[in-house]
Amino acid sequence: ETGVTQTPRHLVMGMTNKKSLKCEQHLGHNAMYWYKQSAKKPLELMFVYSLEERVENNSVPSRFSPECPNSSHLFLHLHTLQPEDSALYLCASSQEEGREAFFGQGTRLTVV
Amino acid sequence: AQSVTQPDIHITVSEGASLELRCNYSYGATPYLFWYVQSPGQGLQLLLKYFSGDTLVQGIKGFEAEFKRSQSSFNLRKPSVHWSDAAEYFCAVGPRGGSYIPTFGRGTSLIVHP
Repeated sequence: ETGVTQTPRHLVMGMTNKKSLKCEQHLGHNAMYWYKQSAKKPLELMFVYSLEERVENNSVPSRFSPECPNSSHLFLHLHTLQPEDSALYLCASSQEEGREAFFGQGTRLTVV
Repeated sequence: AQSVTQPDIHITVSEGASLELRCNYSYGATPYLFWYVQSPGQGLQLLLKYFSGDTLVQGIKGFEAEFKRSQSSFNLRKPSVHWSDAAEYFCAVGPRGGSYIPTFGRGTSLIVHP
């Protein structure tokens, strides 16, 4: 079983749909992250949760809504997305005082 | 604010040739340093990391990196590239102390010719 698991791996949704991305980590880490990776753009940090509290929100549009019910699970709720939101969404985790982030395999999101 | 520069967007090498990917950072003190690799459609995998001590660090898959404080650099090297090394490579820095939030470079795409 991999350390960080993301589901689904692929998602196609219409602009009026509501969907959620799920991330689960089995590493005992205290911090979890959502990143957006678009073609030809740098990796964009979206949200950071530390000990289940949000500590960073890099001016992400409100159509993206994160949820961290416990230290092992992280969700990204999506609603009324735009085609430019199509990207690879990566989840990662790390120790609160640790050093390296471990990534999931990502969810490839296509908004039509 | 910390920043990471990977000056090469693409690097093309022949299989069996040596490789060096460049990474420069800007930070008030010596940060934690990392290299990650990403295969198409996959997440990022940690290749190696530098925290302190020996400035030449060994990683997985035969990669190594050297931290040079005077140049604020952390270049990734491999003596002989394999076709399976074709991927995207990301350098990252993390602040020392407090909550760890890494900053990533834009990435370097490695193309390997047979």
